[in-house]
Amino acid sequence: QVQLQESGPGLVRPSETLSLTCTVSGYDINSGYFWAWIRQPPGKGLEWIGSISHTGTNYFNPSLRTRGSVSVGPSKNEFSLSLRSVSAADTAVYYCARRQRSGSFSYWFDLWGQGTLVTVSS
Amino acid sequence: QFVLTQPPSVSAAPGQKVTISCSGSASNIGKNYVSWYQQLPGTAPKLLIYDNDKRFSGIPDRISGSKSGTSATLDITGLQTGDEAVYHCGVWDSSLSTLVFGGGTTLTVL
Repeated sequence: QVQLQESGPGLVRPSETLSLTCTVSGYDINSGYFWAWIRQPPGKGLEWIGSISHTGTNYFNPSLRTRGSVSVGPSKNEFSLSLRSVSAADTAVYYCARRQRSGSFSYWFDLWGQGTLVTVSS
Repeated sequence: QFVLTQPPSVSAAPGQKVTISCSGSASNIGKNYVSWYQQLPGTAPKLLIYDNDKRFSGIPDRISGSKSGTSATLDITGLQTGDEAVYHCGVWDSSLSTLVFGGGTTLTVL
């Protein structure tokens, strides 16, 4: 079955760059769908970060666009998140997920990784 | 600070019914499609409902979703202790050009 797994450093220093990778198994991401990053600060709600297709078409949360990007790779069946100039406000559990849609402005996330906690601290 | 408003908590007894609301605006719930997620303690969210009222694969029919105007609701009947979780609603906001979530509602089965 299709599974997603996040990986990356659990601790990032303030002002540095947060980099995470999501590895997809059981499905070739070049076959379709959009792939997303979503985060959840401790004890708080969910925040959509951005989504990318296998062709590189991507959409990013406007509130994070100046600092972040999503990309396909670095290896086959992986996609990545980069968030620059991080602060304590970026401390969260980061999830990768598969995005589905049935038409215009109909989006949902049917598969999720287990999440990885990233703490921003010196 | 969330674009979508959910009650922080709801509770009901086992076997009873609970309704969780998600209130938005014309630019999000009023024109786009709502999804609902269940998040058990310490786990990733799990999709329950998409396109306002469609149950995802494997979700029992005691869980249902609906939408009216700028609000959406998630109904759970025949409550079980295993339903204790945080429930999140999500929808695309056409004015903000971003996907938004509610703050989440904690369901307690008394």
